[in-house]
Amino acid sequence: GAVVSQHPSRVICKSGTSVKIECRSLDFQATTMFWYRQFPKKSLMLMATSNEGSKATYEQGVEKDKFLINHASLTLSTLTVTSAHPEDSSFYICSARGSRPSQNIQYFGAGTRLSVL
Amino acid sequence: GENVEQHPSTLSVQEGDSAVIKCTYSDSASNYFPWYKQELGKRPQLIIDIRSNVGEKKDQRIAVTLNKTAKHFSLHITETQPEDSAVYFCAAGGGYGNKLVFGAGTILRVKS
Repeated sequence: GAVVSQHPSRVICKSGTSVKIECRSLDFQATTMFWYRQFPKKSLMLMATSNEGSKATYEQGVEKDKFLINHASLTLSTLTVTSAHPEDSSFYICSARGSRPSQNIQYFGAGTRLSVL
Repeated sequence: GENVEQHPSTLSVQEGDSAVIKCTYSDSASNYFPWYKQELGKRPQLIIDIRSNVGEKKDQRIAVTLNKTAKHFSLHITETQPEDSAVYFCAAGGGYGNKLVFGAGTILRVKS
């Protein structure tokens, strides 16, 4: 299957700082990337859908000014958690999907565990 | 919007037995139904998927069935092995360009 790389795998930051998470499709062009948040022993909650070259579409209840998403190229999307607070601590995971109809499978990154002190 | 319910939340089976996980969805426009396996601390991995023009799909010990009329689909794992122990998520989506809505997950434990 396709390879999606996500970095960093773990980050610890102080409250009030910003954290950037990168999601890269290594062997295919990802026209759409998705950002999820996963709480312990819980399901994947979609935060936003990111299409290359356009603004991200955020799910209801997700603050777009707090979770900045950029998808500037067909292989890279970034999620920036701005002014992070302890309640933002979570597991963030991205997925990527290709451009052809046969490529509507989502391939996931390994996730980023964010801890805000 | 789409709503996906998944049952059971926890499933324990003896090695060699079969395991069945069931999901229901609400949006009749959904036409793509993948199943992901997530081991502890790892990324979700696609194990099988089915599209709405097919009623059943099988891949070795894993099979998925879809009943469009009733809006439910199921994952069947036969001859379970300890390495099948993981969290399994079902999802439903509207096909190309549309997002996936995930079920709450099922923790499968295979006892040897």
